[in-house]
Amino acid sequence: ILNVEQSPQSLHVQEGDSTNFTCSFPSSNFYALHWYRWETAKSPEALFVMTLNGDEKKKGRISATLNTKEGYSYLYIKGSQPEDSATYLCASHRNTDKLIFGTGTRLQVFP
Amino acid sequence: NAGVMQNPRHLVRRRGQEARLRCSPMKGHSHVYWYRQLPEEGLKFMVYLQKENIIDESGMPKERFSAEFPKEGPSILRIQQVVRGDSAAYFCASSPSQGRGEQYFGPGTRLTVT
Repeated sequence: ILNVEQSPQSLHVQEGDSTNFTCSFPSSNFYALHWYRWETAKSPEALFVMTLNGDEKKKGRISATLNTKEGYSYLYIKGSQPEDSATYLCASHRNTDKLIFGTGTRLQVFP
Repeated sequence: NAGVMQNPRHLVRRRGQEARLRCSPMKGHSHVYWYRQLPEEGLKFMVYLQKENIIDESGMPKERFSAEFPKEGPSILRIQQVVRGDSAAYFCASSPSQGRGEQYFGPGTRLTVT
């Protein structure tokens, strides 16, 4: 694939549910994969920068994995809370400094 | 340490006018990136600048758009003779160096062309 694709486009879960979403990216010339969290009316906030195949990163209840050979990354949220509601963006970084973003997964967590 | 600052936050221009969007990177950051989000679309790369140099402008429309990052002062994205299709949110990000590190985003400027 040449583009960065994210699925699902949107997700509604109940508070306490665990959830995950997918980012697919070009595996050729891989340099890094970025995850951002973007709340409405705020700036995108960096979550993770992942560079090595097999990388796993964790920040609180959020974690991510990376497979550079097949070109995908998963983001997991354990025990979702209403404050996790946001759009989660991934971006591919391919031997250049520009980031190519997916269109995001919009997560809504209901109390 | 203040984050990336952009101004104005909202800008309304009539067709044919000029729009100037400013971005002050985080302190110590010498790399600036501009992205555009059109309605119902994701963030799209426009241009990457270092102080006094344009490094990559492959995402910027060839006409009417220009960007600069002078030695002193903020980075400026300039859109001449705006058209309705330029209405979008324009985001600036900065990083301290070249490489794989995080880019820190500003709050964006929402441009509306009437």
